[in-house]
Amino acid sequence: NAGVMQNPRHLVRRRGQEARLRCSPVKGHSHVYWYRQLPEEGLKFMVYLQKENIIDESGMPKERFSAEFPKEGPSILRIQQVVRGDSAAYFCASSPVPGTGNTGELFFGEGSRLTVL
Amino acid sequence: SQQGEEDPQALSIQEGENATMNCSYKTSINNLQWYRQNSGRGLVHLILIRSNEREKHSGRLRVTLDTSKKSSSLLITASRAADTASYFCATRMDSNYQLIWGAGTKLIIKP
Repeated sequence: NAGVMQNPRHLVRRRGQEARLRCSPVKGHSHVYWYRQLPEEGLKFMVYLQKENIIDESGMPKERFSAEFPKEGPSILRIQQVVRGDSAAYFCASSPVPGTGNTGELFFGEGSRLTVL
Repeated sequence: SQQGEEDPQALSIQEGENATMNCSYKTSINNLQWYRQNSGRGLVHLILIRSNEREKHSGRLRVTLDTSKKSSSLLITASRAADTASYFCATRMDSNYQLIWGAGTKLIIKP
């Protein structure tokens, strides 16, 4: 079984450009989380989505950031007009539907490392 | 918000020794999970302990949970160089889908 697939693994953008990060969850998982991590730091929650629905976007900046998880295809985290402070590793994790007997364990991808020049 | 706090922030021990990391949290929980992150990689789930459990084992890992003190510990016995990684605890609160993460303990195993 394929795990969570993220691409690209590394992305370099100049200030003002757009960054688009993709995440394909574990097959059968309908819930996706996006986290941001700075070097030597912990995970910062950004957004929690299920297919075609944003459950919680409280950790995502209101401006320039958006996320979607369409009925078909991967989840996308989009950062418009990137600034140097957006440089970080962005991790996607997936889980089965919560509350259906599963424990809430998350399955992580290898991350996408964004560098803004 | 981050409610878990791991200590120590960093730990360096000799191969073969035991490594103990602690995690404290603030609210009532449904379960507590430990994850490992190797440098430059994604997080990997290690072990989960439910709020009604006190101790759990998995291979060389031993996790304890003290809900009265709102704390957990992760013990890695007979450490190996490959155990070098950052270790994070995450709590899942009652009736809540969210995992709340600590800042992690960086473990270095010296050969």
